[in-house]
Formats: sequence, C-alpha cells, structure tokens
Amino acid sequence: DAGVIQSPRHEVTEMGQEVTLRCKPISGHNSLFWYRQTMMRGLELLIYFNNNVPIDDSGMPEDRFSAKMPNASFSTLKIQPSEPRDSAVYFCASTPPAGGYGYTFGSGTRLTVV
Amino acid sequence: AQSVTQLDSHVSVSEGTPVLLRCNYSSSYSPSLFWYVQHPNKGLQLLLKYTSAATLVKGINGFEAEFKKSETSFHLTKPSAHMSDAAEYFCVVSGPDYKLSFGAGTTVTVRA
Repeated sequence: DAGVIQSPRHEVTEMGQEVTLRCKPISGHNSLFWYRQTMMRGLELLIYFNNNVPIDDSGMPEDRFSAKMPNASFSTLKIQPSEPRDSAVYFCASTPPAGGYGYTFGSGTRLTVV
Repeated sequence: AQSVTQLDSHVSVSEGTPVLLRCNYSSSYSPSLFWYVQHPNKGLQLLLKYTSAATLVKGINGFEAEFKKSETSFHLTKPSAHMSDAAEYFCVVSGPDYKLSFGAGTTVTVRA
C-alpha cells in the first residue's frame, strides 16, 4: 500500500500563475479531502468528495480555487490565479467507506507563491 | 456540529518523564475521536482512534488515550517521553458525515 500520494512535494510559483496540485488516494477509499495548513489558521478543510462527487466545498476560499475528482484514483486542486496569501501546505487525505477508521494523509504539497 | 479544544498550546517535558496532552470535545453525536502527530515538515500520522469500542485506546509508539464521556475528554498520555516524540499533536473529532474537526494543536518539546 503506497498510501496517499501527492505531487509535487514542493511548488514555487509567481503570483498570477496557475497552480495544480495532484492527489492519488488509497485504492478502495471512497472519500477524499483537501486540507490547507497555515501557521495563522491551522488545518482547514477546503473540500471533500464522496464517490467522486463534491459533497461540501464551503471551505474553498474563493473562486480562484477549484477541485475535481474525475475518477476514484485521482483528484486535483487548482488555483488560478495564485496569490502570495495562498502559500501554505496543502494536504490530501482519503478514508474508506466506513469512515470511522481515521484518515490517511498524504505528505503534503508545500506551495510558495512569490 | 462537533469541535475539539486542546487545552495546552505547548507542553515541555524531560526525556523519560510522562507526557499528558489534554483534549475536550463537543459533539451532537456519538463521536469518533483521533490523535494525529505531525513531525516538522512532515505529513500527519494517525496515532490512535476511538470509535465507541474500548474507552482506553492504545496507539503507536507507546501512546494511549482514554475516552471519558462524562468529562467529554480524550486526553493523550505516554508514560515515558522520548526525544523522537517532539512534534505537534492534533486532537480530532469526526462527525457522521466523516468530516474532521481539528484542534489547534499542541507542540511537544522534549528536554534531554
């Protein structure tokens, strides 16, 4: 089991550029979550999918952020255009159908927007 | 709705002494509770979980936590701290929709 795989591990981009973060959940997990971690706000849930369908995107900061899950094995989080305040660590997590067994988090993508 | 409050933002212990990290929860449902650990510049690792089975839960690396419904608490303990325990610890509650609510985190420092 390779765990939840995120790419890239680090991303440095200039303000105004488009950024795409990628996540491969654990096979068989049907819920996928995107979190953002910053010093100021801690861990924030951005969006979560169940069976590839977005269930709750109330945490997405603004229209510059979008997320997709085209199939059970892949999800993307896109920021367009990026801003310096988007700099954070973005985590993806997945959980099996029962849910109560805890989430498995990826190693995160550290995004720096300059 | 559910939430957790971690009562200490920072805990400092000497190596070999006990560690206690305090967490209180609030939930309208029978909660699932978790403790996660995050080492510097690393992802989050599940330490242990409570899902309405035994109230004393044993996790990895010698950690354990006790669910006390009457006190709405889920404190994390370890009898003897090790230098490798220096990290940030998050108490987490999950509701019926499987969304997680994270505490603000407790940073543990271990003195030699």
